[in-house]
Formats: sequence, structure tokens, C-alpha cells
Amino acid sequence: EVQLVESGGGLAQPGRSLRLSCSASGFTFGDYAIGWLRQAPGKGLEWVGFIRIKAYGGTTEYAASVKGRFTISRDDSKSIAYVQMNSLKTEDTGVYYCSRGWASGRDPHYDYWGQGTLVTVSS
Amino acid sequence: DIQMTQSPSSLSASVGDRVTITCRASQGISNDLAWFQQKPGKVPNLLIYAASTLQSGVPSRFSGSGSGTDFTLTISSLQPEDVATYYCQKYNSAPHTFGQGTKLEIK
Repeated sequence: EVQLVESGGGLAQPGRSLRLSCSASGFTFGDYAIGWLRQAPGKGLEWVGFIRIKAYGGTTEYAASVKGRFTISRDDSKSIAYVQMNSLKTEDTGVYYCSRGWASGRDPHYDYWGQGTLVTVSS
Repeated sequence: DIQMTQSPSSLSASVGDRVTITCRASQGISNDLAWFQQKPGKVPNLLIYAASTLQSGVPSRFSGSGSGTDFTLTISSLQPEDVATYYCQKYNSAPHTFGQGTKLEIK
């Protein structure tokens, strides 16, 4: 059974940092991209970014709203992906989901999602 | 960046009705489009990918069509458990933008 479990959420002050983790099981982690998506309270879904598999260089893509502040990485030996979130802003508040990305090419669609972890940025 | 626009933003229909939600891309995206269902308080669930491929385990009353810039999600016979917000998402290239969502209710 495919499972993705996020952790690391919580309360952070504006300008501070948080690192979220996504622990995966039930599939060959290194064969899939990993995406991060978020949802502000009462709002729609927003794509944050993703990391490709090693065969595509493990490269990353980001939404303009987080580029330069967030960094996605992966450790295939541990089946864990991370998003390092720096210079947090109040508008980064929301539930953060990691998801498995299935790709026949360079960019994936997201087929399995974790339960999400809540990030609150407030002073 | 390519914008994704869904219509309508909200929809009320009766059980058994055929329901159609549309998603329009501001530029062509081939068939690199997914549809998600998010029930209140729940995690989004993938319904359709590659515009028309039904994800495993999704009821056959859901179908998708389209290519290029115009896409549709159809529920052939609305059921009470289909109350949810539906989102389209492009993934031809980054950013993988979502539509703003369509909230579906039962009349």
C-alpha cells in the first residue's frame, strides 16, 4: 500500500524557517518524482514544487511564490523527501501535502497524497 | 505562465443528473491535465489524468475529455457522495497550476 506521511509542521514566526519531511513506503521511492502542494485555510489547492527522479537529474521546479525561499530535496536511500522553507511569510500558512509524482516524461501528475501537515506562520 | 480557469465556480444538481465541469488553459497543454476531487475536510483524490484516463479505483461514472486548451470532467449520474470541490491541474511543464475549483452540491 502506497503511504506518504508528512511531518515537521507547526507554528513559526515570519522570517523564520521550518523543514517538512515526507516519509514514503509501499513503492520504489527512487522511481517517482515527489511533489509538494499546499492549501491555505478555506482556499484552493496551490502547487509548491517538485523534485524529479535521479534519471532526470533530480532537478527541482518551484512556484514563483516560493522560489528562492523553499528548497526541495530527497534521500532515496531513506525514502524521504524534504522541503526546507526559509524566510517564511504569513501567506505561507496552510496545510502542506506531499505527493507521489508519476511521470512518463519530465513532469509528473500526482497520484497519491499524504494526509498533510499544518504550517502556521504568525507572530 | 499558463492560467487555468474552471467553470462554473459552484454548481447545484440533483441526484442522477449528468454534471459537466469545464477547465480552460490559456495556452495549449496537450493532454497533460488531471482532475481531483476534494471532499470537505479530506485529502484531494486523483480522478483523471492525461485528460481522459480514469485513475484506478475511481467509479466509472466519472470521465474526462479534451485536449489542447479545453477540457471537461463529466459525472454521468450524480450521487450524494460526489459532493465535493473539483480541481483541474496542468502538468505539461512547471508551474503545475490548479484551477480555482468548482464546488458541487446536491440540490
